[in-house]
Formats: sequence, C-alpha cells, structure tokens
Amino acid sequence: DAGVTQSPTHLIKTRGQQVTLRCSPKSGHDTVSWYQQALGQGPQFIFQYYEEEERQRGNFPDRFSGHQFPNYSSELNVNALWLGDSALYLCASSLSGRHIQYFGAGTRLSVL
Amino acid sequence: GQQVMQIPQYQHVQEGEDFTTYCNSSTTLSNIQWYKQRPGGHPVFLIQLVKSGEVKKQKRLTFQFGEAKKNSSLHITATQTTDVGTYFCAAIIQGAQKLVFGQGTRLTINP
Repeated sequence: DAGVTQSPTHLIKTRGQQVTLRCSPKSGHDTVSWYQQALGQGPQFIFQYYEEEERQRGNFPDRFSGHQFPNYSSELNVNALWLGDSALYLCASSLSGRHIQYFGAGTRLSVL
Repeated sequence: GQQVMQIPQYQHVQEGEDFTTYCNSSTTLSNIQWYKQRPGGHPVFLIQLVKSGEVKKQKRLTFQFGEAKKNSSLHITATQTTDVGTYFCAAIIQGAQKLVFGQGTRLTINP
C-alpha cells in the first residue's frame, strides 16, 4: 500500500519562473492538502482539494493555484516565483471529514 | 497571525531526562493533533485529542488536552536518542476546517 508520493524531490528555479509540483495521495484517500514549510517553521496551510475543487484556502496569494484530478492526485502551481517561495512543499492526504494528515516526503524548492 | 503558539522553540536534554512541549491558543479548538518530524523528514501523525480534559498515552509519551480546549501538552518520559526531532501541535480552530500548525519544538538529546 503506497503512501503519499510527491515529485520531484528537489527543484531549482529562478525568480519569475513558474513551477508545478505533483502529489499522489495514500490509497483510499480522497482529500489532498498542500503546505509550505519554511526552514525552522511549522507547515503553513496553502489549500485543500476535495472532489476536484478547492475547499479551503490559507493566506496565500493567487500566484498559488492547484488542481485535483479524478484519480484524486493533485498539482500545486506557483507562478512568478519569489525568493521567499523557497521552502519545503508538503502534500498531505486524508479521508474527507477526517483531519488526520498523512504527509509525503515533500518537494524542496529553491528559488535563485 | 499565529493562532497556535508552541513553547519552547528548542529543548536540549540529557538522554533519560523528561521533556515537555506546550501548545496554547486564545481561541477554542475543535481538536488537536501532534506530529513528529525527524531531521530531514516529513511530519508523521502521532495522536489526535478531541475531548475536553482528554489524556492519552503511547508508551513513554503522554498527551493532554486542556479542560477549556485551548491548550495541550506532550510529555516524554525518560527520553531516548530515537526521540530526536521536532514536535508540532496542529489544531482545528472552532468554526474553521483548516489545520493550523504550531511553530514546533525542536528536541535534541545528548547521549
């Protein structure tokens, strides 16, 4: 039974570029949440997807967008990258109505 | 602003000593969860508390949820080197559905 998988593991981009991160949820899970974790900080909630729609959103600008596919996998897109976007991006899956998060290993994004 | 405050930010102990981290909120929490993140790893779920005054134990770990559902603690008895990592509380604020994480307490242990 595969857990949450994320790709790529590492990514280097330059300011102004765009990036797409991918996530496959744990088998049987239907809800995907994305978090940004800066060094030495706790994960910050970006948004949550359920039934292919954004259900909740944190305090992140519109440059951060996402998508969920019929197979429950998800993408996080970030446009016009800033240096401050450098962080570990974590995907977590859960069952709808349950708040326990199962995290993937994350994508380490560096913006130069 | 930060809705879930966690203290201390860092804690260094000798192996065998006890360790406690605290999580506080000014608003009532629907539930609280605790996660552990090993260095270079990702957060791993430990436990969820839902009821006022709830206490749960996992071997050497004891988790408490305050009577007013505004604070929580994690206590580790007789720490071992495998306990090294950052411990996060995460809470659902009443009325909201998103999980808010504390800043975490980083535990290091001198063997």
